Order: sequence, then C-alpha cells, then structure tokens
Amino acid sequence: GAVVSQHPSWVICKSGTSVKIECRSLDFQATTMFWYRQFPKQSLMLMATSNEGSKATYEQGVEKDKFLINHASLTLSTLTVTSAHPEDSSFYICSAPRVRDPRSYNEQFFGPGTRLTVL
Amino acid sequence: KNEVEQSPQNLTAQEGEFITINCSYSVGISALHWLQQHPGGGIVSLFMLSSGKKKHGRLIATINIQEKHSSLHITASHPRDSAVYICAVRSRRDDKIIFGKGTRLHILP
Repeated sequence: GAVVSQHPSWVICKSGTSVKIECRSLDFQATTMFWYRQFPKQSLMLMATSNEGSKATYEQGVEKDKFLINHASLTLSTLTVTSAHPEDSSFYICSAPRVRDPRSYNEQFFGPGTRLTVL
Repeated sequence: KNEVEQSPQNLTAQEGEFITINCSYSVGISALHWLQQHPGGGIVSLFMLSSGKKKHGRLIATINIQEKHSSLHITASHPRDSAVYICAVRSRRDDKIIFGKGTRLHILP
C-alpha cells in the first residue's frame, strides 16, 4: 500500500535553532500534503496545507514565518520550525492524499510523525 | 461540542476481551479514518471508510453514514493492542481532516 515517510523521527535541538522535517510520499505523487501538530495528551491539530508549486495555506493562529513550508516536488514537503523555542516541542505529523479519481474522495496516508524537543 | 466525539476516553480490558471504540461526528464527511498511535507517538493508519464495513486481521471497522457513527472493534485483544485509537473525518465542506481526541486502550495480560 501507499506509504508516507517522515524524517527525522525524532530531533532534539537547542532553543533558537531551526529544524527541518521532511515528509515524503514514497510510491505516489501528492500535489497536496497536510501538516499537523499534537501537544501531549491533546488531539491532532491541522497546522497548514502544503501545495506543490504554490504557497502553503496556514490555519488560523499558526505563524507562517515561524513554520516555513516548502512543497519542493510532488513527493516531498518540508516543514521548517525557525528559531525554535521550548513551546514548539511537539509531535509533528504529515499526511498526503493519493488521488485516484479527482471526482471522488482521496485516501489519506499519514506519516509516522516527528517528535521535536527544544531544550 | 467537538465535531468528532469518541467514547470511551479510556478503556482498560483483560487480554482476550472484545473491544469496541465508538466515534460520532456532526459534519458531512467524505471519509472516516481510524488511526492507531503507539506510546512513542508513531501513527499507523488502520482503516479508511466511506460506507459499510472493513476487516483487517482482528480489527473491524464499521460506519453508518445516516447515523454519523463509526465503531472500531478488536477481537481477541492482546496487550500489544494497547495504544491510543483516533477517529478522524474528512469534512465534505472544506476537505479538512478533523480529529477526535482519541481513546486510550490498555489491555492487561
């Protein structure tokens, strides 16, 4: 079946540094990818929609200058947490829909997630 | 009120028991997902449903579109099934995914 990978699976960094997280669709092309964040014991929350060839769409309350999204190709989206702070420590997950029929719903495939800890 | 509600929030059961986790939603959807999240945080997609029923191994997922309700069943539960199970729906209105808060399942040996 279709697979979405994320790299790294976990990262620890110092406050003030930037961290890049990659999301790849391994055996299908995805013009759209989604990024989510999950704080401890809370539900997953959509952060932004990554669009290949155009700007990402951010959800209300998500700072686009802090969370830079680049959809470099049809199989890769990156999320860069700039000038990370301890409050950015969270679990970041991506998903990608595989379009089989543009007229129908698209199956969504989730990455395994990346745990970010900012010291 | 959340658009996606799961019950129970927490469930502890003995190994071998039949487990049911429920998900109710209030929006029009194009699809519903059941996800499994292990203690380390990693997410595994179990099912995607738009109607009827799907089975994979000991897992069964059903959905009733008219009643806006889905259930995830685990037969012959095992300690390795211990995880958080998350229901997520794809909103037909804006195509976004809305997540439930999850059900924390603990299977005792």
